Amino acid sequence: DTGVSQNPRHKITKRGQNVTFRCDPISEHNRLYWYRQTLGQGPEFLTYFQNEAQLEKSRLLSDRFSAERPKGSFSTLEIQRTEQGDSAMYLCASSIAYEQYFGPGTRLTVT
Amino acid sequence: DAKTTQPPSMDCAEGRAANLPCNHSTISGNEYVYWYRQIHSQGPQYIIHGLKNNETNEMASLIITEDRKSSTLILPHATLRDTAVYYCIVRVRGNRDDKIIFGKGTRLHILP
Repeated sequence: DTGVSQNPRHKITKRGQNVTFRCDPISEHNRLYWYRQTLGQGPEFLTYFQNEAQLEKSRLLSDRFSAERPKGSFSTLEIQRTEQGDSAMYLCASSIAYEQYFGPGTRLTVT
Repeated sequence: DAKTTQPPSMDCAEGRAANLPCNHSTISGNEYVYWYRQIHSQGPQYIIHGLKNNETNEMASLIITEDRKSSTLILPHATLRDTAVYYCIVRVRGNRDDKIIFGKGTRLHILP
């Protein structure tokens, strides 16, 4: 499968713990995006990279969130000191031109 | 906020054409109309996009009105696998700031 992959697919954590998600984009896609989706809502933009440079961050991305794309390939999204409000689906997308291709998402549940 | 307005839900009988409307009355001249869909527990899937002319691909057809203030996505022969949330989006292609702003979309139920 040469699509966007995300790991883990599901994560259950206790409030206050740190979690890290990984996204592997489609090979040679230079742009990578993170979105968050809560129940009944459309995905909301969090941040985006062109190669290894993080070019934009949404105001939704609080100080507890950090994203990296160290070699311009895979990306990680870390949430520190998780809160129940962080429970959501975290989606990754990649593109090389104009169309974004999404991964299956990581569903985070904070108990 | 999303720049589009869609009905929250629609039903369509299996085998019939599903016509999903979208209003985008404030669309700018350089903005394209995009459609994505999201099947339950999956990421959004690109369907089709257009600027002014009607477009067709293997998945769907996109009809854009002459004034570009509204459009319709047509799934010609809907199947149960087309049950999903359909998002209509307007965006500029190729912009540095090219994040997608999703609304709530239309939940399409295909009825057997």
